[in-house]
Amino acid sequence: GAVVSQHPSRVICKSGTSVKIECRSLDFQATTMFWYRQFPKQSLMLMATSNEGSKATYEQGVEKDKFLINHASLTLSTLTVTSAHPEDSSFYICSAVAQVNSNQPQHFGDGTRLSIL
Amino acid sequence: DAKTTQPPSMDCAEGRAANLPCNHSTISGNEYVYWYRQIHSQGPQYIIHGLKNNETNEMASLIITEDRKSSTLILPHATLRDTAVYYCIVRGNTNAGKSTFGDGTTLTVKP
Repeated sequence: GAVVSQHPSRVICKSGTSVKIECRSLDFQATTMFWYRQFPKQSLMLMATSNEGSKATYEQGVEKDKFLINHASLTLSTLTVTSAHPEDSSFYICSAVAQVNSNQPQHFGDGTRLSIL
Repeated sequence: DAKTTQPPSMDCAEGRAANLPCNHSTISGNEYVYWYRQIHSQGPQYIIHGLKNNETNEMASLIITEDRKSSTLILPHATLRDTAVYYCIVRGNTNAGKSTFGDGTTLTVKP
């Protein structure tokens, strides 16, 4: 089946650091990828939709200058958490779909656990 | 996309069938029903999806009622490794493919 790889799986860093998370579709091309955030004991919350070759679309309440998204190729999207603070600690998950506006399912990465000290 | 309602938790005995219900009474004609599950500290895993006909794959079966207002995911022989949070999502083929996650059902398979 379709595979989405996310890296790193875990990051621990000091407050004020910027952290980059990569999301790759390994065996298919994805014009669109999605970034989610999940706090403990809660469901996934969509942060933004990442579109190859164009600007990302952010959900209401998500700061675009805080969470920078780059989707430079059909197989790679990156999320950079800029000047991270303890409240940004969370589980960040990406997903990709091979064909937008189709019934094909999303495939998810294994997530990145970000801990800001 | 239509909203879904699932029971917060369910238990199932190992080896028995697990039947997980989902209500989606406001589903529209072009919206599909998708099921994912999330095992602790991992990303969600796609299980199955369907439009109106029942579907079966190597993981599970999906039964959709004739009026499409509800569905049931069936794990025919649950194992301890099936313990996870199961999410039912309704999504059309527009809206840029976004999926909105509800709270899901926490399935606990017991020995």
